[in-house]
Amino acid sequence: EAGVAQSPRYKIIEKRQSVAFWCNPISGHATLYWYQQILGQGPKLLIQFQNNGVVDDSQLPKDRFSAERLKGVDSTLKIQPAKLEDSAVYLCASSTQGDNQPQHFGDGTRLSIL
Amino acid sequence: GESVGLHLPTLSVQEGDNSIINCAYSNSASDYFIWYKQESGKGPQFIIDIRSNMDKRQGQRVTVLLNKTVKHLSLQIAATQPGDSAVYFCAETLNTGGFKTIFGAGTRLFVKA
Repeated sequence: EAGVAQSPRYKIIEKRQSVAFWCNPISGHATLYWYQQILGQGPKLLIQFQNNGVVDDSQLPKDRFSAERLKGVDSTLKIQPAKLEDSAVYLCASSTQGDNQPQHFGDGTRLSIL
Repeated sequence: GESVGLHLPTLSVQEGDNSIINCAYSNSASDYFIWYKQESGKGPQFIIDIRSNMDKRQGQRVTVLLNKTVKHLSLQIAATQPGDSAVYFCAETLNTGGFKTIFGAGTRLFVKA
């Protein structure tokens, strides 16, 4: 089966600019996650969707980050305006619906803020 | 608080030896644990999982051990190969209404030829 697709792979922007990331999960996976991974650290959950509804966005900096999954399939994550500390890899993952399902990750978008 | 940590940030082993990567978790309510492998420039890759009603699970060349008494998780890799060089993360999942997964900081495994 095709894996989780993310684009772009790399993005370089200046602080205060905006940026958007796209994710297409594995077909049939109802749950979609966005993580932020700062260099040398483990992934940190930003937001979790179940179909097109938000399950958990408690760690999403809502003053600058937003995400949507309008049709319950692919998803976009936006940052506006970007700050230097947003430099990280943004990972998308998906899983089947249900308890205790492993997450399948894309290769991420590496964001550098100048 | 909720946290998943690792005892060693780096581990260096000789090719062919067995590797043991350790992880401590602090939330006794966690009921599902996963080990992921992350190679440079790639996303984490699922290796093996274990539910809290088990204390051992084996896969191909990998074994996960869970000790709920001391809140400890370990990943054993048999006959470590150069392709096993990567960062390994343990993750715990707890039911907070939804299912929240918390990752540790990771252990980098170096395999010497």
